[in-house]
This record gives sequence, C-alpha cells and structure tokens, in this order.
Amino acid sequence: AQSVTQPDIHITVSEGASLELRCNYSYGATPYLFWYVQSPGQGLQLLLKYFSGDTLVQGIKGFEAEFKRSQSSFNLRKPSVHWSDAAEYFCAVVNSGGYQKVTFGTGTKLQVIP
Amino acid sequence: KAGVTQTPRYLIKTRGQQVTLSCSPISGHRSVSWYQQTPGQGLQFLFEYFSETQRNKGNFPGRFSGRQFSNSRSEMNVSTLELGDSALYLCASSLALIGRVSDTGELFFGEGSRLTVL
Repeated sequence: AQSVTQPDIHITVSEGASLELRCNYSYGATPYLFWYVQSPGQGLQLLLKYFSGDTLVQGIKGFEAEFKRSQSSFNLRKPSVHWSDAAEYFCAVVNSGGYQKVTFGTGTKLQVIP
Repeated sequence: KAGVTQTPRYLIKTRGQQVTLSCSPISGHRSVSWYQQTPGQGLQFLFEYFSETQRNKGNFPGRFSGRQFSNSRSEMNVSTLELGDSALYLCASSLALIGRVSDTGELFFGEGSRLTVL
C-alpha cells in the first residue's frame, strides 16, 4: 500500500528566508506526486504536481519541488518566504496505474515570523 | 469554470441530531471524495463516489454515509451527531478518467463545511 510521510509537523521560518518542506513516499512504481496548500479555514489548493518528465517541477506562488526517485522524496522549496505563505502544506501521492487512490501526508504547518 | 461548491459553509448542531452536507463538483468531474479535518486527527478520508457508486471508504462508523446523484452532485450525512464530529468537512472532485494518462488524479477542493456539535 502506498504511504506518505511528512516528518515535520510544524516549521517556523523568518520572512525572506528559504524554505524546504520534506515529503517521503512509499510506492512500488513511480507515483503521481502533489503538494497542496491550505490557508486557515479554507479548502486545499494545488501548488504543483509531478507525473513524468523533468524531476524539478515549478508551481504557483514561486514554489518548486524536486522528485528524487533514489530517495523516494518530493521536497517542496521556496527561495524566499513571504508572510502570506503561512499555511498548512500537504504532500499527496496517487498511484499511477488502475484505480487512482489518493493518500495524503499529515501536513506541515508553516509559521512565518517578521 | 465554477469551482467546487459546498453548502452550508457553517452550521451548528446538537448531539444526537443529524446533518446533511452538499457538494457540487466542477462540471465534467465524475468523482467526488469527502474528507474530515480536525486539529487532532488531521485530514481523514471518508469516502469516494464515482458515477453514483461508492468506490472507496475510509475507517468511519456507519453513522457517516454519502451518496452521489446522476449529475455528480454529492451529499454526505452524519446521523446521531457526537461532539467529536465537530470538524471541517471537505469535498473534492476530480476527472477520474480511468486509465487516461492525462488524468493524474488531481483533486479540486471546495472551501469546506464547518460543523460544530454542541
């Protein structure tokens, strides 16, 4: 069965600092990988996704993620964090064959300090 | 293109009552999934419907049920409400084009229905 691990429950960064949120997955083949963001009291919004090709994926709001097959990771990065990036971030994996089952990680809550 | 619409956005109920939440997916999307989100348990999968059939179900008691209509709109119902049912209930729709490489399983979420049980 597929699974997703987000080891950091809560991260605090200073505005303007760089950010990296970790995501590790378990799946037999190459899955489809996603990062979603959730602002307080809102639904989840897709930041970016990987399904094939270039392993460095660009998303909205200046975010990027790199798929590393050897490490089963799909870490999210941003070079300079803005106060509006404070939110909860979820990594998700979808199996790439047959019935598409979505598995979410437990989320990482990002706090941005001035 | 209109997004996923959930109604009502907020509601307050008392223990023992029942509640029905509604979700209208993006036009053309055939799959609707429901999630419960609480501070303690995080995002938990309730069930998924595709073409009016429940395809997958999470680990929730039978008090939680759902259905999908022919126009893909979905409802979920919680009977005999408990305090622990207080949560944000999220609905997500997807294309669910089985076997199509172009469909990568991306979910489109509504803003949720915030249920408070007193």
